[in-house]
Amino acid sequence: GQSLEQPSEVTAVEGAIVQINCTYQTSGFYGLSWYQQHDGGAPTFLSYNALDGLEETGRFSSFLSRSDSYGYLLLQELQMKDSASYFCAVRDTGGFKTIFGAGTRLFVKA
Amino acid sequence: DTEVTQTPKHLVMGMTNKKSLKCEQHMGHRAMYWYKQKAKKPPELMFVYSYEKLSINESVPSRFSPECPNSSLLNLHLHALQPEDSALYLCASSQDPGQGTREAFFGQGTRLTVV
Repeated sequence: GQSLEQPSEVTAVEGAIVQINCTYQTSGFYGLSWYQQHDGGAPTFLSYNALDGLEETGRFSSFLSRSDSYGYLLLQELQMKDSASYFCAVRDTGGFKTIFGAGTRLFVKA
Repeated sequence: DTEVTQTPKHLVMGMTNKKSLKCEQHMGHRAMYWYKQKAKKPPELMFVYSYEKLSINESVPSRFSPECPNSSLLNLHLHALQPEDSALYLCASSQDPGQGTREAFFGQGTRLTVV
């Protein structure tokens, strides 16, 4: 089977840096994606890692270590609007299904 | 145009009603998906269409019936639903359904309430 684990909640202060971790167990692996979802909104794609290392997109970065079955999303210069749920996701061996983690709710405080 | 458009945004239906949810994308994506999402939970995959053919049905009850009339449109027909089917129904699309597909575009969803 496949499973992903991520913390249920994280709280941080505006302007700070926060890291959201994700560990996964899959029978095959085609990359780790991250999505952001504001309350009442649609999930929005943030980043994708297929290979080990760090991918940077503006204030957001994502890291992957395939040997450790581990990745993280790094959010820098936090803003209030970053308060949302963040999901890590993997594709299954057939490549057709996306499996989402349970989500991490990020609360950014002033 | 990088949008996935879903209609209606909100729907209230009785348990004996028949209704349909609609989804449209004009990005040339060949894979389209229906997800169900309960409050404070991740999206759960229901169906995957690949090149207009149903490729995955995640053991969804037959009261949910998907349809893909063409490569841009995806429908979800609803009949005899139960109150526990109340949820946010999300449509998504991606460039192709094969290996390495990484990015899905989601619509804003239909908030369904079954009474």
